[in-house]
Amino acid sequence: AQSVTQLDSQVPVFEEAPVELRCNYSSSVSVYLFWYVQYPNQGLQLLLKYLSGSTLVKGINGFEAEFNKSQTSFHLRKPSVHISDTAEYFCAVSDGSGGGADGLTFGKGTHLIIQP
Amino acid sequence: NAGVMQNPRHLVRRRGQEARLRCSPMKGHSHVYWYRQLPEEGLKFMVYLQKENIIDESGMPKERFSAEFPKEGPSILRIQQVVRGDSAAYFCASSPRQRSGNTIYFGEGSWLTVV
Repeated sequence: AQSVTQLDSQVPVFEEAPVELRCNYSSSVSVYLFWYVQYPNQGLQLLLKYLSGSTLVKGINGFEAEFNKSQTSFHLRKPSVHISDTAEYFCAVSDGSGGGADGLTFGKGTHLIIQP
Repeated sequence: NAGVMQNPRHLVRRRGQEARLRCSPMKGHSHVYWYRQLPEEGLKFMVYLQKENIIDESGMPKERFSAEFPKEGPSILRIQQVVRGDSAAYFCASSPRQRSGNTIYFGEGSWLTVV
């Protein structure tokens, strides 16, 4: 079984400030990790994903995330946020077992609020 | 190249009625997933289908909910005798193959409101 914990339900940040959205996971096997963004009343859009290789992953819109196996974390970062980054951010894990759903287990989401 | 198409985007049903949500996967995708998002919560997996087969329905409520992905046409999520607690956003996603790690692409969701 796998699970995802997003420690912060809301993160308020001033425009042009850096931000980190935290994500921890638990799984008994190797995992694939994802961050999705959801703008109001829209579907989810993939920001970035970690499958293997370099632990620092760069995504769209200036976001990046670092996979830390020892801490079972996959925190999302951006050095300077914009008003347009206001959205809900979801961390997700797939355990790669190939069986069952082969879909994703999502965290509860973090609402990023950018203040002018 | 159209993405995952869901309709209707918004649906209002009275308690006891039936709700049908449709999902057309991206071109070339044969794997479909349905997720439900309740207010203030993340997405919860409901069911995983391939053409004409339900692969995993471990997230589906035991009663009133069913899903299909026929050989021709869109995938359908059907909710019979809806109750207020069924009010949620329902998201469909698709992928080209089963291999884990493959990106799945989401539709824009269907918002069901039960009054």
